[in-house]
Amino acid sequence: LAKTTQPISMDSYEGQEVNITCSHNNIATNDYITWYQQFPSQGPRFIIQGYKTKVTNEVASLFIPADRKSSTLSLPRVSLSDTAVYYCLVGPRQYSSASKIIFGSGTRLSIRP
Amino acid sequence: DTAVSQTPKYLVTQMGNDKSIKCEQNLGHDTMYWYKQDSKKFLKIMFSYNNKELIINETVPNRFSPKSPDKAHLNLHINSLELGDSAVYFCASSLSTGGSPLHFGNGTRLTVT
Repeated sequence: LAKTTQPISMDSYEGQEVNITCSHNNIATNDYITWYQQFPSQGPRFIIQGYKTKVTNEVASLFIPADRKSSTLSLPRVSLSDTAVYYCLVGPRQYSSASKIIFGSGTRLSIRP
Repeated sequence: DTAVSQTPKYLVTQMGNDKSIKCEQNLGHDTMYWYKQDSKKFLKIMFSYNNKELIINETVPNRFSPKSPDKAHLNLHINSLELGDSAVYFCASSLSTGGSPLHFGNGTRLTVT
């Protein structure tokens, strides 16, 4: 399974756009990129998933360059409630018994007033 | 309505005891999972069931035994609890095994003393 590398922590201010980059140099052809958000004492919550180029939903955008060796989660105009840990996950479409699905250490995002 | 619910939320017990955690999802998903989040916040998959059939069984001590009476339920039984079993255990579900997003419960914090 492709290993991911993210910044351990990031700080920003309310109203700013925040970009969190994830490196996954050995991503496989059939791997998808998925981002989750986790608040304290809660389970991770799905944010967005993509395979290539750009994906946008009501919460975030995901930018994936042509080589797919990295991806960037973009959160527009963050608020205090966006303070959370963000996980980048790279995995195959089919989670077979040979796969090990591991969330990385995540990026702890802190938003200040 | 809670999509993925697990009970209990907190579980404090002594070494050597046997305990169970229950999980239920009302999303109509075919696949369910158990994840373990340790003190360093790493999330690792333990088991996955698809339509009551075990499809992922990672390197987990055989003291841990999942049971899926139907596709909406996946319980986790732990025998002879050890100090190192202390962690937060998350149940999750997905529409299928095909890389669809995971929906997590809010976790069970297990403390073994």
